[in-house]
Amino acid sequence: SQQGEEDPQALSIQEGENATMNCSYKTSINNLQWYRQNSGRGLVHLILIRSNEREKHSGRLRVTLDTSKKSSSLLITASRAADTASYFCATVTNSGYSTLTFGKGTMLLVSP
Amino acid sequence: GAGVSQSPSNKVTEKGKDVELRCDPISGHTALYWYRQSLGQGLEFLIYFQGNSAPDKSGLPSDRFSAERTGGSVSTLTIQRTQQEDSAVYLCASSLKTGQGEVSYGYTFGSGTRLTVV
Repeated sequence: SQQGEEDPQALSIQEGENATMNCSYKTSINNLQWYRQNSGRGLVHLILIRSNEREKHSGRLRVTLDTSKKSSSLLITASRAADTASYFCATVTNSGYSTLTFGKGTMLLVSP
Repeated sequence: GAGVSQSPSNKVTEKGKDVELRCDPISGHTALYWYRQSLGQGLEFLIYFQGNSAPDKSGLPSDRFSAERTGGSVSTLTIQRTQQEDSAVYLCASSLKTGQGEVSYGYTFGSGTRLTVV
């Protein structure tokens, strides 16, 4: 079943612009993670934010989490052509075996 | 190894044949996961291993799908009597640990096996 839903499904921007992707989820979480996927193959872990955290930074990435709205956002600042990829949010709930449940992703295209 | 290794990277098989997909996780990672991804879709959870046991196999779509893990390391996903709807990229991931109520670490994914059933 789908826990996270990303918005928008696709995003096209110019190099140097900022890209913002949103994720909404349904049930309470332990943590939320963002992943990047190039060319439809392996995913790369970008950042993890815990349910008691509101904001986290890693390089050009900024993630926010609003548990009251069950939503998260990923901001990529000063985007580069190499940031072109699909971005997925994934959640770990407080029940079950702490496996990740992924959304369908946002496809980001950064044009030079 | 340095990363999660999956083999083969591509597999074309005839409908009705059995296939075996292999995953070699990062050494020391006790948790191992199988997902599959159909074209343009998100990841669909299949099965989770903690050590050699599979406490969560709720995502296996039918009894044609099975998986095992030996020595707390290599895992094999077997699909019997393949159907065209089984065509997808099968992704394996491992992580340092997991457990109910614990804050998990990020997963490290392999590059996947692209399965095409013709």
